[in-house]
Amino acid sequence: NAGVTQTPKFQVLKTGQSMTLQCAQDMNHEYMSWYRQDPGMGLRLIHYSVGAGITDQGEVPNGYNVSRSTTEDFPLRLLSAAPSQTSVYFCASSYRLGVTYEQYFGPGTRLTVT
Amino acid sequence: KNEVEQSPQNLTAQEGEFITINCSYSVGISALHWLQQHPGGGIVSLFMLSSGKKKHGRLIATINIQEKHSSLHITASHPRDSAVYICAAQETSGSRLTFGEGTQLTVNP
Repeated sequence: NAGVTQTPKFQVLKTGQSMTLQCAQDMNHEYMSWYRQDPGMGLRLIHYSVGAGITDQGEVPNGYNVSRSTTEDFPLRLLSAAPSQTSVYFCASSYRLGVTYEQYFGPGTRLTVT
Repeated sequence: KNEVEQSPQNLTAQEGEFITINCSYSVGISALHWLQQHPGGGIVSLFMLSSGKKKHGRLIATINIQEKHSSLHITASHPRDSAVYICAAQETSGSRLTFGEGTQLTVNP
């Protein structure tokens, strides 16, 4: 299994540009999430999905869109990039194990918006 | 006040030392996760705890549900243990996690 894959690894955007961060998992996990990681702050949830066709907002959803048309893919779209979206983005998938959810993280995408 | 707080923020140790990282949370949880983030950025899950204690090699994680506190211990620390250790509280109603800011551990030879 490839696990959770993310592309690209690095990206530089100009303010106002749009782009899609790709995330895919081959473990048939129901749950997928997008986080951003900023210095001095913990990982923060942007959007998440509990299954194909179902998405919901997390803690910091503004400026981002997601869709989940298949179990495997969960792309994150930046509609009009802003310097405040400079961050490292992690995609994660998880499956339920009793009352807990085993988490698997992608390698991250480092995004700089100038 | 953050819902999940870790201490210390930074920790430097000599090889072989016993290390403890603490995590306190203020929310109700169904599980507490400990994660490790390597210098290259990748994040891996170390433990998921809903009660008691778990051990994997030189790593031990404990949780006290009544006190809303968890600890991660590393015995006989090694330079390869140098990483950021993150605790995360899993909400009672589902899979969402709330993360602490992380503890940067450096183990010197």
